[in-house]
Amino acid sequence: QVQLQESGPGLVKPSQTLSLTCTVSGGSISSGSFYWSWIRQPAGKGLEWIGRIYTSGSTNYNPSLKSRVTISLDTSKNQFSLKLSSVTAADTAVYYCARDLRYSYGDYYYYGMDVWGQGTTVTVSS
Amino acid sequence: DIQMTQSPSSLSASVGDRVTITCRASQSISSHLNWYQQKAGKAPKLLIYAASSLQSGVPSRFSGSGSGTDFTLTISSLQPEDFATYYCQHSYTTPITFGQGTRLEIK
Repeated sequence: QVQLQESGPGLVKPSQTLSLTCTVSGGSISSGSFYWSWIRQPAGKGLEWIGRIYTSGSTNYNPSLKSRVTISLDTSKNQFSLKLSSVTAADTAVYYCARDLRYSYGDYYYYGMDVWGQGTTVTVSS
Repeated sequence: DIQMTQSPSSLSASVGDRVTITCRASQSISSHLNWYQQKAGKAPKLLIYAASSLQSGVPSRFSGSGSGTDFTLTISSLQPEDFATYYCQHSYTTPITFGQGTRLEIK
């Protein structure tokens, strides 16, 4: 079955760029009706959607982060990546990658995040 | 952005109880509503998609209902492993947003 694994630095300095990679195993990142998403969760708080990339490479970002976020796809490595620039302490969180699967019902379709990585903690501190 | 509001924020219940959590969207989202369960230190797990469809492998004691703006997640008979935090999430448009969570605790 498909599995996701986040990787990247656990500590980032303020004003620098946070870079994370999600490696997909057990399936191809470029086939099927999927979005590949990033979500984060500050300690003790709720979930915040960061953005997603479709298998075609098209992206959607949270407007609250849009000016600082880039999500990209590397089909040769079966990975997708997150870059968040100009980080501050407010960006300290557990970062998750997830597969957003399309469920089809006749003319209608719905999306749900059916596979998640285990999460990686990123702390922004000097 | 579509705001998702869950109630209650926390809930105490006993094994065997029937529990209902509600989620309200700030505008109609048809049936584009998902429910997740998150245990401490773990990633969220998809329970219900499209408001009422049970994700594969999820026990049948979990059910979802609703459409438009009002939705519910029901656990028919609580089991010890069900004590966790539950989130609703809409997938109607971007940005995707989550409810603030409902913490289900043992009474």
